[in-house]
Amino acid sequence: AQSVAQPEDQVNVAEGNPLTVKCTYSVSGNPYLFWYVQYPNRGLQFLLKYITGDNLVKGSYGFEAEFNKSQTSFHLKKPSALVSDSALYFCAVTMNTGFQKLVFGTGTRLLVSP
Amino acid sequence: GAVVSQHPSRVICKSGTSVKIECRSLDFQATTMFWYRQFPKQSLMLMATSNEGSKATYEQGVEKDKFLINHASLTLSTLTVTSAHPEDSSFYICSARDRLARDYSSNEQFFGPGTRLTVL
Repeated sequence: AQSVAQPEDQVNVAEGNPLTVKCTYSVSGNPYLFWYVQYPNRGLQFLLKYITGDNLVKGSYGFEAEFNKSQTSFHLKKPSALVSDSALYFCAVTMNTGFQKLVFGTGTRLLVSP
Repeated sequence: GAVVSQHPSRVICKSGTSVKIECRSLDFQATTMFWYRQFPKQSLMLMATSNEGSKATYEQGVEKDKFLINHASLTLSTLTVTSAHPEDSSFYICSARDRLARDYSSNEQFFGPGTRLTVL
């Protein structure tokens, strides 16, 4: 069975500094990986996904993530954080063999201070 | 593209009443939709997979008679919380897969904005 771990409940960063939100996964085959962002009382907004190809994936709002197969990680990064990036971030994984459910991590709250 | 709407966005009801939540794919067809529940400061918990024209598939521990799901068309799925109680208060989020997506096999889901249910 697949699983996702987001080891940090909260990440604090000052505006203008780079940010990293960590995600590791466990699947028995090749993964499809996703990052979503959730603002208060809102649904999930898609940021980016890794399906195949380049390990570095660029997504919405300047975010990017690097797929690292050897470390089974898919950390979310942004070179310069904005206060408006403050939100709840979810990593999710599914597998590339037929229909599989999305499995979500527990979420990481990002707090960007001015 | 790939927009999913939910209605209502917020509902307050009395204990014992039933509440229906609609999930619509606005610009694509969805043979499969999903219903999630999210508790405060927690992750999304998949409740059930809604299949157009057939019965929903419920996750273990989710009462199918309590949470009725109907997926009567390619653009609409409904979740009815029957005889709601305060413990059913939660944030309910639906998602959908675009059956004509170029990378349909990626299992990507498009999410609605969520419905906040409060049962008094």
